[in-house]
Parts: sequence; structure tokens; C-alpha cells
Amino acid sequence: NAGVTQTPKFRILKIGQSMTLQCTQDMNHNYMYWYRQDPGMGLKLIYYSVGAGITDKGEVPNGYNVSRSTTEDFPLRLELAAPSQTSVYFCASSQRTSGGQVYEQYFGPGTRLTVT
Amino acid sequence: GQSLEQPSEVTAVEGAIVQINCTYQTSGFYGLSWYQQHDGGAPTFLSYNALDGLEETGRFSSFLSRSDSYGYLLLQELQMKDSASYFCAGGKAAGNKLTFGGGTRVLVKP
Repeated sequence: NAGVTQTPKFRILKIGQSMTLQCTQDMNHNYMYWYRQDPGMGLKLIYYSVGAGITDKGEVPNGYNVSRSTTEDFPLRLELAAPSQTSVYFCASSQRTSGGQVYEQYFGPGTRLTVT
Repeated sequence: GQSLEQPSEVTAVEGAIVQINCTYQTSGFYGLSWYQQHDGGAPTFLSYNALDGLEETGRFSSFLSRSDSYGYLLLQELQMKDSASYFCAGGKAAGNKLTFGGGTRVLVKP
């Protein structure tokens, strides 16, 4: 199993450009997440999904959009990129336990995005 | 809301023991997870406390006291490869997501 894969690994955008960060998991996990991590900081949740066709906002959703048409894929769309979106973006997936808990998330390698 | 507080940085020498505390302010928290992240890498899962008490996994142990809204990660017999950032994370029962603390950077010196 490849686990969680993300593309691209690095990207430089100009202000106002748009792009899509790709995320795919092959573990058949229902739950998928997008986080951003600024230097020296923790992980902030952008959007998450509990299954195909279902998405919800996290802590910092402004400037981003997501879709979940399949169990495997969860792309993140940046519209009108701004310097404040310079960050490392991690995609993660997890499976819900029989007790209804989520505690172990599997992370992709990350996408390092610079907006100038 | 939910927030988890951790010290920002800890320095120790090889072979020593380090304890990373995590205090949280939320209601309905069901457990505490710990993740490790090396510089330039992705977070990886270390341990999970579903119940109060101590969980041991090799050199690493994790503790939870829900009555005190407090947990810690204990790193024993420190090795250079343990230099990394460590994050606590928690979520609500039947919830669908985790909230992460700000992370503790552990620097191991020879």
C-alpha cells in the first residue's frame, strides 16, 4: 500500500493564481482531512470529509475549496492565491473505530507552497 | 472551543528522560493521541490513550488523566533520532476530527 500520496511536493504560485493540491489514499478510509502547517506551528484543519459527497469546514477554510467524489481522492482547491497561504499542506486519512472515535490519522508527505 | 497547550521546546542529552505535558480545555474529550514529526517530514502516530492511566510502547509512554484535563508523553533513554516535534491531539466522542496542540520541539544533544 502506498498509503496517502500528495502531489505536487513543491509549488510556487504568483498572487492571484489558482491551483489544486491532489490527495489520494489506498487504505479505503472513510475520513480524509486537509491541514496547513506554518513554520514552527501546529496543524490547523482546513476541511475534512467523512465520506464521498460529504465535506465540512474546519478551523481555517477561507480561501479554499474541496470536493470528494470518490473514497480515494480528496483534492484541495486554492482560488486567488495570497501570500498568507504560503504554508505546508498535509492531507490525512483515518478510519473511525467501532466506538465512534478517530484517533490515528495517516498523513501524506505534504505539499510545500509558496505564494509570491 | 477546544485547545491543547504544550511547552514550545525542551532540550535534553542522550540517555536522559523527557516529559512533554499537554493540558486541554474542552468538554467531552474522549482521549489523547500523540504524534511525532521530524523536520521536513509528515506527522506520524505514536500512541493513544482511550482510558486514564499509562500506556507504554517501548521507550515511549503516554499518560492521561481526564479528570485533570492533562496528559503527557514520556520519552526514555533519549536518542539523537528522537529530536523532533511532538504533538498532542484530541477529539470528542463520536466526533470526526482531531484538534492538535501547538507542538513541542525536542532537541537531543550528545
